[in-house]
Amino acid sequence: DTAVSQTPKYLVTQMGNDKSIKCEQNLGHDTMYWYKQDSKKFLKIMFSYNNKELIINETVPNRFSPKSPDKAHLNLHINSLELGDSAVYFCASSQEYGGRYEQFFGPGTRLTVL
Amino acid sequence: AQSVTQLDSHVSVSEGTPVLLRCNYSSSYSPSLFWYVQHPNKGLQLLLKYTSAATLVKGINGFEAEFKKSETSFHLTKPSAHMSDAAEYFCVVSDSYGNKLVFGAGTILRVKS
Repeated sequence: DTAVSQTPKYLVTQMGNDKSIKCEQNLGHDTMYWYKQDSKKFLKIMFSYNNKELIINETVPNRFSPKSPDKAHLNLHINSLELGDSAVYFCASSQEYGGRYEQFFGPGTRLTVL
Repeated sequence: AQSVTQLDSHVSVSEGTPVLLRCNYSSSYSPSLFWYVQHPNKGLQLLLKYTSAATLVKGINGFEAEFKKSETSFHLTKPSAHMSDAAEYFCVVSDSYGNKLVFGAGTILRVKS
């Protein structure tokens, strides 16, 4: 059983398009996250949701909009895609909100914007 | 604010020899520290974590790390490298009052046969 799953695994699209990445966790966790890993493998948090409420919103363009329909899902919608959005996006979850809790990561979605 | 410095971007060892991946941290509060591993084209997996219990932490696959507050270090070690250890390793810090993990730049471990 996959604990944290993301779809799609690969996404290739043109500049200016709108796309979504879906994330689901079956661990019963309260908190979910989105991270961006750039071409240099640097990982940075984008958003964090706890019990469907936005907790962390880093300096991310407002073209990126997370949506959490329930505790088990956190989707990422991106409008007007730009070349610089090309990266690997990771979803993660943790049992509760708090820095001491282990985060479980999904396999990643490799987004390529042409 | 917390930060992490991984002192080596690449480490190369021979199979069967010890592994040392170095990490220094900076944190305003009592930190939680983690090591994650990422195999090629895979997600991240937790190796071990320190959250103010024993300073010597044992993780999966024979890895361990020692929290040294006086040196602000959390180096990752393994007595004997295996080919399957070849991956990228991330040292991560999070303060116990927040929910934000701050990742180091990563260390690529290469294991030679």
